[in-house]
Amino acid sequence: GAVVSQHPSRVICKSGTSVKIECRSLDFQATTMFWYRQFPKQSLMLMATSNEGSKATYEQGVEKDKFLINHASLTLSTLTVTSAHPEDSSFYICSALSGSGEYNEQFFGPGTRLTVL
Amino acid sequence: GENVEQHPSTLSVQEGDSAVIKCTYSDSASNYFPWYKQELGKRPQLIIDIRSNVGEKKDQRIAVTLNKTAKHFSLHITETQPEDSAVYFCAATLWGGGADGLTFGKGTHLIIQP
Repeated sequence: GAVVSQHPSRVICKSGTSVKIECRSLDFQATTMFWYRQFPKQSLMLMATSNEGSKATYEQGVEKDKFLINHASLTLSTLTVTSAHPEDSSFYICSALSGSGEYNEQFFGPGTRLTVL
Repeated sequence: GENVEQHPSTLSVQEGDSAVIKCTYSDSASNYFPWYKQELGKRPQLIIDIRSNVGEKKDQRIAVTLNKTAKHFSLHITETQPEDSAVYFCAATLWGGGADGLTFGKGTHLIIQP
């Protein structure tokens, strides 16, 4: 199957700083990528849909000014958590859509564990 | 938007027995229903999926059934093995109409007792 990478895999930062997470599709082009957040022992929650060359679409309750998404190329989407606080500590997972129409498949990255002190 | 309910939250079965996890969804337009297995700290792994034009799909010990009328789909694992122990998530989305992201159920912690 297709490969999606994320960097970094783990990051610890101080409260108030910004953190950038990269999501790359390594062997296919993805016009659409998704960002999910998963708190401990909980499910994955969709944060936003990232479309190459256009603005991201955010889910209700997700602050677009806090979680900045940039999808500048067909293989890279970035999520920047601005002014991070301890409550932003979570597992952030991206996925990339491969294919088109009804027969596409979503491939997940390995996730990024963010800890805000 | 879509809402997915998943039951049970924890399921303990004896090795060799079958396990069944059930999900319901709210949006009748949803047409894609994947199941994921997630081990602690790792990415979700797609184990099987079903589209709305099919009622049942099987892959070795794993099967999924879909009842569109009832908006209900289930995961069946037969002859369970210790390595099946993990958290399983169902999900639903409408694909082909706008590349919507997945709405996940809350997950089922499957424990296989030796």
